[in-house]
Amino acid sequence: SQQGEEDPQALSIQEGENATMNCSYKTSINNLQWYRQNSGRGLVHLILIRSNEREKHSGRLRVTLDTSKKSSSLLITASRAADTASYFCATGTSGTYKYIFGTGTRLKVLA
Amino acid sequence: NAGVTQTPKFRVLKTGQSMTLLCAQDMNHEYMYWYRQDPGMGLRLIHYSVGEGTTAKGEVPDGYNVSRLKKQNFLLGLESAAPSQTSVYFCASRQTGENEQFFGPGTRLTVL
Repeated sequence: SQQGEEDPQALSIQEGENATMNCSYKTSINNLQWYRQNSGRGLVHLILIRSNEREKHSGRLRVTLDTSKKSSSLLITASRAADTASYFCATGTSGTYKYIFGTGTRLKVLA
Repeated sequence: NAGVTQTPKFRVLKTGQSMTLLCAQDMNHEYMYWYRQDPGMGLRLIHYSVGEGTTAKGEVPDGYNVSRLKKQNFLLGLESAAPSQTSVYFCASRQTGENEQFFGPGTRLTVL
């Protein structure tokens, strides 16, 4: 399978703490995206980082990409209860129209 | 704009029955996708389309067929449902280039 893998599979933190989740993938990519999924809902796009970028910020989100290690990390700072959700990475490769999704990290933020 | 809509939201089928899931998008996107999501797993691509009149197989296409007769619609068909097809089905669309996918709310299908 070309599917990426996130770790940890599940993460539980207190409100106000930072949450870090990681994504590893197997093939060369053009870009990597992170999505959030609230329970029972569709996925919502958070951020996209291109293969020639190393770090990107959006509000409380910080994404890094290390193409030599084929890995990415998503950092959510000052977490809130509303951040409780599953987070997925998706990789896009050159020459295809498909994105391969990872298995997800379930984040629980305790108030 | 409604974005991406899916009908129905829920469905229960008996083994061997057929059904069609409808996905519609009003963003004039070229690419559309059907995924399935099983408990504790990520999304697996069933079929996708890169434009009106085109379709292609994804990771798990067996037992499914698709059609994209109109740019805004992408239909997913199950000809003879099996319990292994019990899942939540998501449709997504995106514009050409390195762009985000927009997801529908999902269809929860149970096959008895």
